[in-house]
Amino acid sequence: GIQVEQSPPDLILQEGANSTLRCNFSDSVNNLQWFHQNPWGQLINLFYIPSGTKQNGRLSATTVATERYSLLYISSSQTTDSGVYFCAVEDPSGTYKYIFGTGTRLKVLA
Amino acid sequence: GAGVSQSPRYKVAKRGQDVALRCDPISGHVSLFWYQQALGQGPEFLTYFQNEAQLDKSGLPSDRFFAERPEGSVSTLKIQRTQQEDSAVYLCASSLDLAIITYNEQFFGPGTRLTVL
Repeated sequence: GIQVEQSPPDLILQEGANSTLRCNFSDSVNNLQWFHQNPWGQLINLFYIPSGTKQNGRLSATTVATERYSLLYISSSQTTDSGVYFCAVEDPSGTYKYIFGTGTRLKVLA
Repeated sequence: GAGVSQSPRYKVAKRGQDVALRCDPISGHVSLFWYQQALGQGPEFLTYFQNEAQLDKSGLPSDRFFAERPEGSVSTLKIQRTQQEDSAVYLCASSLDLAIITYNEQFFGPGTRLTVL
C-alpha cells in the first residue's frame, strides 16, 4: 500500500521562528489534507490541498502532486502551535479512506 | 450540529466487557469513517459508510469489532469482549457525499479514549 512519510519527526522552536514540515508519499493521490492534533487530541483541519498552494494566516501549504510531496509552512510560530502535525492522503485504491503519515511533533517554547 | 460529536469521551472497560461508541456526523454529511489511533501513532482506518451502507470494513481488526449506521446518520462502533490491545482513541470523521463528488475533506470528532483494564 501507499507509504506516507513525514519529516522531521520532532521539532523544537523558539516562539517567533519559522519552520517547514514535509510529507512524502509513494504513489499518486487525488486528495491530501494537513491536520494539527492539539494536546487534547482534537484533529483540526488546516488545509485540504490535493495540489497547488494555499495560505491561511501564518500557515501555508504547497502540494506538488507530480513529485509526490507536500510542504506545510509555519511562520512566526506561537506556543499554541505546539502539538502533532499530520499529513494524510486518500488511499489511491479508491475506498476514500485516508492514510496518515507518522506525524511531526512540534514544541514551541516561549 | 456544528461539528462531529462523539460520546462518551472517555470509557474504561474491564477486559471481556462489551462497549459501544457513538458518532454524530456533521448534518448533511453522507460519508462517515471510523479510525483507531494508538498512542504515539497516526490514525488508522477501520470502516466506511455511505449513508447506511457499510462499503468498506477492511480495517476492522477482528470479528469482535462491529459498526452500524442504520438510518444513515448516527453511527455506533461496538467492540465485544474487549482486550487490552483495544485500548486506543477511536475517531469518527464525516464528509460530503463521496459517491457524487471527489472533494473528500474529512472532519474529525474529538474521539473516544478507550482504556481496557
